[in-house]
Amino acid sequence: KQEVTQIPAALSVPEGENLVLNCSFTDSAIYNLQWFRQDPGKGLTSLLLIQSSQREQTSGRLNASLDKSSGRSTLYIAASQPGDSATYLCAVGKTSYDKVIFGPGTSLSVIP
Amino acid sequence: DAGITQSPRYKITETGRQVTLMCHQTWSHSYMFWYRQDLGHGLRLIYYSAAADITDKGEVPDGYVVSRSKTENFPLTLESATRSQTSVYFCASSVWPGINQPQHFGDGTRLSIL
Repeated sequence: KQEVTQIPAALSVPEGENLVLNCSFTDSAIYNLQWFRQDPGKGLTSLLLIQSSQREQTSGRLNASLDKSSGRSTLYIAASQPGDSATYLCAVGKTSYDKVIFGPGTSLSVIP
Repeated sequence: DAGITQSPRYKITETGRQVTLMCHQTWSHSYMFWYRQDLGHGLRLIYYSAAADITDKGEVPDGYVVSRSKTENFPLTLESATRSQTSVYFCASSVWPGINQPQHFGDGTRLSIL
């Protein structure tokens, strides 16, 4: 059974700092991986989708990498801003049609 | 406005009561999903639907009932609420299932069962 973990559960950093969020999954036979953002009291918003054949994906100040063989993905946020404060979740799927398995999320606070 | 809306946003009820959470989407997406989110567990899939009148169980379906008579609506019913069903419930929709397509989420229903 696929399990997805995210460490740390919470992270607090000063504004301007570069940071890395970690995602681990137990079954490396994944199809794709997504990173989501969740603001308090809101649903999830997709940030980045990494195809299994890709090593990384970039969007603005966000860069996500994927290492299938080691069962790990990282989300790099450059020059963090208070507006980046949110919970970040990763999710994997075994096939293009399989159910999506979510991690528990990392709660990020960026202090002005 | 196009989107996915959930109602109510907050609900408090007692054990043994029946509760229905509503979900409505305006995109005409084929697939709809119900998740619950609990601290430390992430999102867990309760039920999903591929089209009107087609539903299937997810990871944690016990104690829940769904229906989908119209493409745009996907209500979730707790037939006899228990304290363990206290959670935040999210509805989502997508064109196709799986990780390759973004799921669009509602803002959630925070349900407390006393």
